[in-house]
Amino acid sequence: DVKVTQSSRYLVKRTGEKVFLECVQDMDHENMFWYRQDPGLGLRLIYFSYDVKMKEKGDIPEGYSVSREKKERFSLILESASTNQTSMYLCASSSGTAGDTQYFGPGTRLTVL
Amino acid sequence: QKEVEQDPGPLSVPEGAIVSLNCTYSNSAFQYFMWYRQYSRKGPELLMYTYSSGNKEDGRFTAQVDKSSKYISLFIRDSQPSDSATYLCAMNGVVGGKLIFGQGTELSVKP
Repeated sequence: DVKVTQSSRYLVKRTGEKVFLECVQDMDHENMFWYRQDPGLGLRLIYFSYDVKMKEKGDIPEGYSVSREKKERFSLILESASTNQTSMYLCASSSGTAGDTQYFGPGTRLTVL
Repeated sequence: QKEVEQDPGPLSVPEGAIVSLNCTYSNSAFQYFMWYRQYSRKGPELLMYTYSSGNKEDGRFTAQVDKSSKYISLFIRDSQPSDSATYLCAMNGVVGGKLIFGQGTELSVKP
């Protein structure tokens, strides 16, 4: 079974703090993704990566950055957290081969006060 | 107009009912279609994956794709309280590419 783990299930931070969200997958997948999920807005893609040290902006990259130093690990960074970044953050990975799709982690519920 | 439209519900049905969940889309390039199930406070899990038009059955679940109408459906037969979750449709045009998600439909199956 594919396993995608995220460093925290719940996180509370203050406005202006730097926040790191970590994601690790154990299936040697090439592709990794970060989404945020908000009521009424569904899943929105923040950033994705097709390879180590490679990143692509998604639909809502503003206020976020990412890092992929190793194939299995993809980090989402909030340089200066703001209250409008309170959300559920979901990481996903995929092999990118035919017949495969994205597998999600359990999510991190981030609250910015 | 959103690329993928999905009725957010909520949808409430009695146990044993047949449930129909639907999505419409506008991009004719989409050819890979997925349904994810998401329980409360959990990440989405893949339920069904289909390529191009046609039907796919897995136990009580049937996924249907009609590319000519740009319409996909998920049918749940003999629904159970354990099926209570949010169901998300997703699709893309390229293997491994960005997935476009519907908003999700919240389903509640009452005993």
